[in-house]
Amino acid sequence: GESVGLHLPTLSVQEGDNSIINCAYSNSASDYFIWYKQESGKGPQFIIDIRSNMDKRQGQRVTVLLNKTVKHLSLQIAATQPGDSAVYFCAERSGSNYKLTFGKGTLLTVNP
Amino acid sequence: NAGVTQTPKFQVLKTGQSMTLQCAQDMNHEYMSWYRQDPGMGLRLIHYSVGAGITDQGEVPNGYNVSRSTTEDFPLRLLSAAPSQTSVYFCASSGQGYGYTFGSGTRLTVV
Repeated sequence: GESVGLHLPTLSVQEGDNSIINCAYSNSASDYFIWYKQESGKGPQFIIDIRSNMDKRQGQRVTVLLNKTVKHLSLQIAATQPGDSAVYFCAERSGSNYKLTFGKGTLLTVNP
Repeated sequence: NAGVTQTPKFQVLKTGQSMTLQCAQDMNHEYMSWYRQDPGMGLRLIHYSVGAGITDQGEVPNGYNVSRSTTEDFPLRLLSAAPSQTSVYFCASSGQGYGYTFGSGTRLTVV
C-alpha cells in the first residue's frame, strides 16, 4: 500500500540552530501534505500544510518544501527553541476521500 | 470554540468489555476520523466519515464500530475489548479535507 516515511527517526540540535526534518512519500497521487507536532501526552498539533501545486510555504519560523519530482517533503524550523522539542509527523492526503496517511515520526531534541 | 473534544481521557477495560469513545467537534466539519497510536508508531486510521450518515473503514477497522448520526459527533465503539486494542485513540475533523484538527486523545488500557 501507499506509505509515508521519514529519513531520520531522531534529530538533536542546539538551541538557536536551524532544524530540517525530512519525509519521503510514495503516492504520486497525493495532493496535500501536513506537518504535525506532537508533544508527550498530547494530540498532534497542526504546524503547516502545503498543496501539491506549491513548492514552498512559509509560516512563523517554519517553512515546508515540497519536491514532487523525488516525492520529498521537508520541514525547516528556524532558530530552534527548547519548546520545539517534540515528535514531528508528516501526513499526506490522496484524492477526494479525505484520508490522511501518517509517517512514523521524527523525534526532535533541542539542547540548551 | 472548543475544537475537537474527546472523552474519556483515560479508561481501563477488562477483556471482553465494551465501551464507547466519544468525539465531538463544534467547527461544523463534515469530515471526522478515528486513529490509534501505538508506542513508536505513527497514527493509523480506524474509521472515517465524510458526513452524517456516511462512514467507511480505514486501515485497521477490525474490532471497532462507528456511526455518524449528526455532524458534530462521531463515537467509536469497542464491542469486545482485547489487549491488542490497548492504545491511544485520537479523533480528528476537517473542513473540506484541509487543516485536520485533532483531539487530545483517549488512553485505553485493556487488561
